[in-house]
Amino acid sequence: GAVVSQHPSWVICKSGTSVKIECRSLDFQATTMFWYRQFPKQSLMLMATSNEGSKATYEQGVEKDKFLINHASLTLSTLTVTSAHPEDSSFYICSARGWGNQETQYFGPGTRLLVL
Amino acid sequence: GIQVEQSPPDLILQEGANSTLRCNFSDSVNNLQWFHQNPWGQLINLFYIPSGTKQNGRLSATTVATERYSLLYISSSQTTDSGVYFCAVQGAGGYNKLIFGAGTRLAVHP
Repeated sequence: GAVVSQHPSWVICKSGTSVKIECRSLDFQATTMFWYRQFPKQSLMLMATSNEGSKATYEQGVEKDKFLINHASLTLSTLTVTSAHPEDSSFYICSARGWGNQETQYFGPGTRLLVL
Repeated sequence: GIQVEQSPPDLILQEGANSTLRCNFSDSVNNLQWFHQNPWGQLINLFYIPSGTKQNGRLSATTVATERYSLLYISSSQTTDSGVYFCAVQGAGGYNKLIFGAGTRLAVHP
């Protein structure tokens, strides 16, 4: 199956700093990438959808100025958590999908963020 | 938006037992996937199954699109099957996103 990587796998930072998370599709071109957030013992909540070369579409309630998403190429998307606060601590997971709206989505291993 | 309900929320099995997990959805879909989330958080694709039946080893899945449900069967369960099983759907109404159910938390004991 297709492989999606994320970096870093975990990060601890001080409140007020910004954190960048990278998501890469390693063996396919991802026209669309998705960012999810998961709190302990809960399901995945979609934060935003990004298509290569265009602005991300954010879900209701997600602050676009706080969670900056860039999808500059067909293999890379980045999520930057700006001015992180303890409530931003969570498990962030990206997924990628190839050509076609009905393709399978493949998920990265996730990034655990802890803001102190 | 489309609603996804999974049942049961929790399931405890003895090793070797069989189980059926259910996913109900509220609208027509053009994508349905089953995932297993392991203890480290990695989501593992099990099936891409917007309709029909598929089998992979001890796992099989059936989606009856006209009745808006999907079933995941686990036979001869093993302790390594423990984790959370998610059903996720993409609506057929032009939506571009995969919506997750709440998951079924499975614990298989030796």
